[in-house]
Amino acid sequence: NAGVTQTPKFQVLKTGQSMTLQCAQDMNHNSMYWYRQDPGMGLRLIYYSASEGTTDKGEVPNGYNVSRLNKREFSLRLESAAPSQTSVYFCASSAFGTSYGYTFGSGTRLTVV
Amino acid sequence: DQQVKQNSPSLSVQEGRISILNCDYTNSMFDYFLWYKKYPAEGPTFLISISSIKDKNEDGRFTVFLNKSAKHLSLHIVPSQPGDSAVYFCAAPGGGDYKLSFGAGTTVTVRA
Repeated sequence: NAGVTQTPKFQVLKTGQSMTLQCAQDMNHNSMYWYRQDPGMGLRLIYYSASEGTTDKGEVPNGYNVSRLNKREFSLRLESAAPSQTSVYFCASSAFGTSYGYTFGSGTRLTVV
Repeated sequence: DQQVKQNSPSLSVQEGRISILNCDYTNSMFDYFLWYKKYPAEGPTFLISISSIKDKNEDGRFTVFLNKSAKHLSLHIVPSQPGDSAVYFCAAPGGGDYKLSFGAGTTVTVRA
């Protein structure tokens, strides 16, 4: 089915380890986003890519890096994981120039111990 | 600074009754608003939206009301059904590049 695919779905890391969360969309969307969801905080934007070749910081970028590999793929990297990064991470995409039609992936549940 | 606020973390309602979810915003420049619905272990999905030029938008059992002077919107679900049990997020585009700012969410539980 068309949509946004995130891998992995679950991950446990030790403090200081690194990992990359993968995201791919097949809807020919230009814009892609990474959000994290924490209890009582809602969805907070980490990084986004308005179009291929560009990336920008969101509300909570510290401790993360991103790569817009091509139009389809947008990865999120944790270089040195910390317990504060325990969260559920969602990737989303949308057509350029609109906030309508955000399509979200099913999420990655990350635990840092 | 959170631009979109949902101050009620949870709501419990009996099946068949009305659910009312509230959302406040701080930026008077927002020109439309969206509601998303999220089930456990799934990503949020778009539910309904409203433009700032309207004060009401209806889609089946779901109605959004917008009060611009109070910077307040609400989502009404009538009648509530067990399948409506989910987390509901209010959102608005803010900060340029059409990024969405989300509220903290309200968990709705519909009791049989």
